[in-house]
Amino acid sequence: DQQVKQNSPSLSVQEGRISILNCDYTNSMFDYFLWYKKYPAEGPTFLISISSIKDKNEDGRFTVFLNKSAKHLSLHIVPSQPGDSAVYFCAAKISGSARQLTFGSGTQLTVLP
Amino acid sequence: KAGVTQTPRYLIKTRGQQVTLSCSPISGHRSVSWYQQTPGQGLQFLFEYFSETQRNKGNFPGRFSGRQFSNSRSEMNVSTLELGDSALYLCASSLIGGGLNTEAFFGQGTRLTVV
Repeated sequence: DQQVKQNSPSLSVQEGRISILNCDYTNSMFDYFLWYKKYPAEGPTFLISISSIKDKNEDGRFTVFLNKSAKHLSLHIVPSQPGDSAVYFCAAKISGSARQLTFGSGTQLTVLP
Repeated sequence: KAGVTQTPRYLIKTRGQQVTLSCSPISGHRSVSWYQQTPGQGLQFLFEYFSETQRNKGNFPGRFSGRQFSNSRSEMNVSTLELGDSALYLCASSLIGGGLNTEAFFGQGTRLTVV
């Protein structure tokens, strides 16, 4: 049972435009969400996170939106750059002593020059 | 500040053998988690160690085990290797603290190939 789902395996966007990556979750106990970027043969790199007490968090070109009622979050990248081309993973966790992250299957973003 | 260091980067083993992977967390980080990444299953949580104790374990067979040392370095061991164990094994370290700010920082991973 996939508790975190990224239904789009791939996304192509023109340089300078907005990239929107989506993620859905089913476990209502999740209260902290993270986005990671991953290049081939490297470990995931942390991008941005959001707590369930917020509905938006912004860091430079990256903004994450959380809709708790819909159990949905999205990552917006504006403007998109060719260097943003990578696999993006959404992850979720339950607060507490465990640091276990549950990951989505990832979305391959390709930013076209 | 050095990042998470995993050794070795690449490993080829034969079915039935055992393997030990090593992870040195970011200095000051006391929690180490291990994940397996495969094309079919994505990133899956193996286990987490904190203060030399396993705190949480994912849904993997007992052939997968780990330990953490007093300096927070961690090792994971896979015994009786199977072809399906071929994967990228990732280690993540986290700073233990109050609140929700518990981002995990990943190493580059160890690519294990079982032949």
